[in-house]
Amino acid sequence: DIQMTQSPSTLSASVGDRVTITCRASQSISSWLAWYQQKPGKAPKLLIYKASSLESGVPSRFSGSGSGTEFTLIISSLQPDDFATYYCQQYNSYWTFGQGTKVEIK
Amino acid sequence: EVQLVESGGGLVQPGGSLRLSCAASGFTVSSNYMTWVRQAPGKGLEWVSVIYRGGNTYYADSVKGRFTISRDNSKNTLDLQMNSLRAEDTAVYYCARDPCSSTSCYPGAFDIWGQGTMVTVSS
Repeated sequence: DIQMTQSPSTLSASVGDRVTITCRASQSISSWLAWYQQKPGKAPKLLIYKASSLESGVPSRFSGSGSGTEFTLIISSLQPDDFATYYCQQYNSYWTFGQGTKVEIK
Repeated sequence: EVQLVESGGGLVQPGGSLRLSCAASGFTVSSNYMTWVRQAPGKGLEWVSVIYRGGNTYYADSVKGRFTISRDNSKNTLDLQMNSLRAEDTAVYYCARDPCSSTSCYPGAFDIWGQGTMVTVSS
């Protein structure tokens, strides 16, 4: 089974900050990686697929990069609506999610 | 509007059974990969099961042999039959779509999610 590890688990940031979240796979997954945003009591929302492709309707301040085993989600300028938990997901072999990164208000 | 709406959650005793349903609108369930994902209270996301466009089904090890995924093409719904339930199955269960194109279908990201239905396994 492919394990996904996100860091950090919690991140404190201010509006306007550049935020970086890292996701590591236990083996190479090529570019078969997605990022989701989840707010309390809500379903996850797809942000990025295939490591760097922006889902339709998602603001351009979100970007993704990486391939193989290391991936990054960047929020270029954090907005009030962005405080949430973010998950990476591999789909190279079935599906596995990272444990999540909670972005809190500093 | 493209959407998924789950139903069927509730409180069940350990060892009991429950059947979840997910009604799709705006697209055809049988033309896509359809999945179930769950989230235990305060925890992360866990993939549970998938049914491929061709009908093949796959399960996470944690539910294999106890859960069965199926679809009803006439109703455009996705179901999850859950048997021999355990306390650790307590979670919000989401159905989600892994979209296929008109010409190809392969495992991918989940672009449409339902609102979730809560399953509590407790005596």
